[in-house]
Amino acid sequence: AQTVTQSQPEMSVQEAETVTLSCTYDTSESDYYLFWYKQPPSRQMILVIRQEAYKQQNATENRFSVNFQKAAKSFSLKISDSQLGDAAMYFCAYRSPNFGNEKLTFGTGTRLTIIP
Amino acid sequence: GAVVSQHPSRVICKSGTSVKIECRSLDFQATTMFWYRQFPKQSLMLMATSNEGSKATYEQGVEKDKFLINHASLTLSTLTVTSAHPEDSSFYICSAILELIPNNEQFFGPGTRLTVL
Repeated sequence: AQTVTQSQPEMSVQEAETVTLSCTYDTSESDYYLFWYKQPPSRQMILVIRQEAYKQQNATENRFSVNFQKAAKSFSLKISDSQLGDAAMYFCAYRSPNFGNEKLTFGTGTRLTIIP
Repeated sequence: GAVVSQHPSRVICKSGTSVKIECRSLDFQATTMFWYRQFPKQSLMLMATSNEGSKATYEQGVEKDKFLINHASLTLSTLTVTSAHPEDSSFYICSAILELIPNNEQFFGPGTRLTVL
């Protein structure tokens, strides 16, 4: 079974600065998908960024980028130019590529605080 | 993106009663929906995978007789918590995928907070 580990329960960053959230995972599969989700106080889960394991290029979405290290099974999220609206719980998630097995396995989350 | 709704958003019930939570995909057909449970300050734990027209697949440790899941149409899945007890109090979240392709996105509902007195 796959596991996802987020070793930082809480992080804080000054507004406009850059912060990196860590995520490691364990799997025996060679192909898979990794995600970062944001859960603000409203509790609505929002997809931040997605990475496909067979792609070597790190995914980027505006101020959000990932550092995907497949050999190390590491998938960190970098948030640049942090904004107050970035304050939320961030969850790293793993998904198998297999048809009929699209369930997500989540890490324990990192609570990000933005300091004005 | 696609919209998934949940109803009700909050429910308070007495111990021993049953509660039904609806999950709807509003602008797409969802062949598969997922039900998650989230305790305070914890992560989302998958409870079951719901496929339209067939029985749900429950994760290990989830009581299928207590958490009844029905996926009667391509836009609606329901979770019924039977004979609810205070330990069932939690935040329940559903998600849906548009179609069974490898890189499709899961769209999440806003969640339902269940409080059992």
